[in-house]
Amino acid sequence: GAGVSQSPSNKVTEKGKDVELRCDPISGHTALYWYRQSLGQGLEFLIYFQGNSAPDKSGLPSDRFSAERTGGSVSTLTIQRTQQEDSAVYLCASSLGQGAGGNTIYFGEGSWLTVV
Amino acid sequence: SQKIEQNSEALNIQEGKTATLTCNYTNYSPAYLQWYRQDPGRGPVFLLLIRENEKEKRKERLKVTFDTTLKQSLFHITASQPADSATYLCALNTGGGNKLTFGTGTQLKVEL
Repeated sequence: GAGVSQSPSNKVTEKGKDVELRCDPISGHTALYWYRQSLGQGLEFLIYFQGNSAPDKSGLPSDRFSAERTGGSVSTLTIQRTQQEDSAVYLCASSLGQGAGGNTIYFGEGSWLTVV
Repeated sequence: SQKIEQNSEALNIQEGKTATLTCNYTNYSPAYLQWYRQDPGRGPVFLLLIRENEKEKRKERLKVTFDTTLKQSLFHITASQPADSATYLCALNTGGGNKLTFGTGTQLKVEL
């Protein structure tokens, strides 16, 4: 597609359940990011994939969070045993990749997660 | 500690005036800085990028300055319009490659 696609757009889940959020980046983009945004807050970095390099997982808040990127394209963010504090918008973004000049990051519209 | 600070209070200005938003950072040495716009319920949209060796960058009614000594970027919107009302986020590359860390954003409201 033309932009970054995320699914589901909205998810309501019960506390303790596992959820999977999917991101389909712009074709040809080698860098992929996951951010989290709580209501009225800024973007919190979660994880960053760049090509075949080991991902930067430094932003994952706990071991309940994990992400993978298959074939250098689609990414899945998994949250196990969800807690109410996990409720937020999960934003995926992609860019052309590493470069000294910096590349524009294109965001999807986010997956709105509500844990009840 | 490392911080990126933007004014958390909303900025209200009159249509036609120039809006100026501030981004201050500490303990980072970014190679570049970016500004994004975010509308309610939407993902951020890229506006401008300025590199560490650039003092100023312009795009239509937008102007960004970058002072690496003060560790500050200013974002200006001239001849502001109600359609400019949104939250504006600054972001710095803070790690290897293109890892970006975002500020908390400043909400701008342009009134008629």
